[in-house]
Amino acid sequence: GESVGLHLPTLSVQEGDNSIINCAYSNSASDYFIWYKQESGKGPQFIIDIRSNMDKRQGQRVTVLLNKTVKHLSLQIAATQPGDSAVYFCAENRAAGNKLTFGGGTRVLVKP
Amino acid sequence: GAGVSQSPSNKVTEKGKDVELRCDPISGHTALYWYRQSLGQGLEFLIYFQGNSAPDKSGLPSDRFSAERTGGSVSTLTIQRTQQEDSAVYLCASSYANYGYTFGSGTRLTVV
Repeated sequence: GESVGLHLPTLSVQEGDNSIINCAYSNSASDYFIWYKQESGKGPQFIIDIRSNMDKRQGQRVTVLLNKTVKHLSLQIAATQPGDSAVYFCAENRAAGNKLTFGGGTRVLVKP
Repeated sequence: GAGVSQSPSNKVTEKGKDVELRCDPISGHTALYWYRQSLGQGLEFLIYFQGNSAPDKSGLPSDRFSAERTGGSVSTLTIQRTQQEDSAVYLCASSYANYGYTFGSGTRLTVV
């Protein structure tokens, strides 16, 4: 079925290094994508979003890249900090409906 | 309020009992969503309300699950005759049109 999935379940990163989290989606009709961060015991927290008419969007220390040709989404975190340790989810939204479909999540562990 | 509020934060119930979970969305948000997150898993869509339109119930796993949204604001998710497999974190989110999906902290349901 149509889904959003992630390549790596766990990513260990040295503090100060850059992190890259990848996500594949299968529905070419998806027009809106969001990255969420979820810390233990909390709900998902919005990080950054991107619409399908863009291929790159930057925020504070984060960049989202969208490659529609291969249906691939990535989140780059610059200078990863201990506070970045969390599970990261990508989600897609289709124009015909507003419900978000989530990937399985990637756990990022930042080593001091 | 400033964010999405869910109550209770934790609920332990006996198998076979009914439970009600409450969600207060962000004021002015027209859309409200319920998701379920099992331990270590991604978010599973349950139901979606948009304004006065008929809700999208396509994600409800069985007829034991139902949800209401009164007055276009507060929503209640009801699980009848709870089973152990219903144990999960139930997350509510609200949005304005296709923007600003904001999640609450969730209700952790444990069925014993």
